[in-house]
Amino acid sequence: EIVLTQSPATLSLSPGDRATLSCGASQSVSFYLAWYQQKPGQAPRLLIYDASNRATGIPARFSGSGSGTDFTLTISSLEPEDFAIYYCQQRGNWPYTFGQGTKLEIK
Amino acid sequence: QVQLVQSGAEVKKPGASVKVSCKTSGYTFTRNAMHWVRQAPGQRLEWMGWINTVNGNTQYTQKFQGRITITRDTSASTAYMEVSSLRSEDTSVYYCARETAGSTMIGVFDYWGQGTLVTVSS
Repeated sequence: EIVLTQSPATLSLSPGDRATLSCGASQSVSFYLAWYQQKPGQAPRLLIYDASNRATGIPARFSGSGSGTDFTLTISSLEPEDFAIYYCQQRGNWPYTFGQGTKLEIK
Repeated sequence: QVQLVQSGAEVKKPGASVKVSCKTSGYTFTRNAMHWVRQAPGQRLEWMGWINTVNGNTQYTQKFQGRITITRDTSASTAYMEVSSLRSEDTSVYYCARETAGSTMIGVFDYWGQGTLVTVSS
């Protein structure tokens, strides 16, 4: 099973800052990586799929990049509603797996 | 609009079974596969298995093989997941997650249920 490792575990930033979140895979998943946002008490929300494709309705400040084993989610200018936990998920190999999450908190 | 509405929280004793439902609306149920994902307190999301809503075929991760059963009722646009032989480690929030339609979108989850907390305690 592919292990996804996210860094940092916690990221403390202010509204308006640029956020860079990383996800590393234990073996190549090609470009089959997605990013989800989860707020307390809510279900995950799909942000990015296939490394760099924004899901329907996702603002342009969210962008993804990477391939193989190294991926990045960038939020260009943080809005108050962006403070949440972010998970990466791979579908390149079965079983699908998720990272442990990065908590984006207000500084 | 697309909605996935899950059944309510459950408290079960070790060794019991639980069946969680996921009622869908706002789209044609058989156009999309349905997956189940769980999240134990403070832990990462864990994919459990999925069902082909057209023919009912299922696939489960090895970890849950033999202990979970995913079914669907197309007339009710509802998917179900049953977990048997519950143990304390199964205490989690269980989510249904719709797979995006299209052969190139296998394993991409575009809509999720609100989650069902299952607590296993003696």
